[in-house]
Amino acid sequence: SQTIHQWPATLVQPVGSPLSLECTVEGTSNPNLYWYRQAAGRGLQLLFYSVGIGQISSEVPQNLSASRPQDRQFILSSKKLLLSDSGFYLCAWGLSVDIQYFGAGTRLSVL
Amino acid sequence: AQSVSQHNHHVILSEAASLELGCNYSYGGTVNLFWYVQYPGQHLQLLLKYFSGDPLVKGIKGFEAEFIKSKFSFNLRKPSVQWSDTAEYFCAVNKEPGGANNLFFGTGTRLTVIP
Repeated sequence: SQTIHQWPATLVQPVGSPLSLECTVEGTSNPNLYWYRQAAGRGLQLLFYSVGIGQISSEVPQNLSASRPQDRQFILSSKKLLLSDSGFYLCAWGLSVDIQYFGAGTRLSVL
Repeated sequence: AQSVSQHNHHVILSEAASLELGCNYSYGGTVNLFWYVQYPGQHLQLLLKYFSGDPLVKGIKGFEAEFIKSKFSFNLRKPSVQWSDTAEYFCAVNKEPGGANNLFFGTGTRLTVIP
């Protein structure tokens, strides 16, 4: 069966510090992978998606970047966090037009 | 810009009450429609989806949703809720030719079912 791992579950970081959130998927090959952010009181916003190794598309300009070094690994990064980067980050994967599985999410607080 | 509206932020019902959660979208073309659910302590997961055909879609756990194209709506319904339906529900829409990079989510509705 397919599973998705996302860590850490919570993270508190100071402004200006770097960020690395990791997501890995098991039980499938060549999935589409996604990073979403949910700010308080708002819907899920797509940040990045990837259809294959090394292929990253960004949906919104921001202080974050993403990488896909392996087929089932997706990493969200920042060199210097801003206060506005606080939020709930979700990794997800799917095989076609719909997303079937989401990770547990990471709650990031930038102080 | 395409948007998805869920007007009910928090709904509180007693067990056995009927449920209807509203979802409206603002896109005039062909769309695919989804409802996702997040139970307390669990991952967000797909509840049901509509791509084409019968506009009344059946999902898991007795949920259904009806696509009304003229109203740009895809409301989620359940005739009789249970305590275990307590969760947050998200509506999502993507437009043809599809692709999850075009998947837009609503802000979610929190459902609390009182035993």
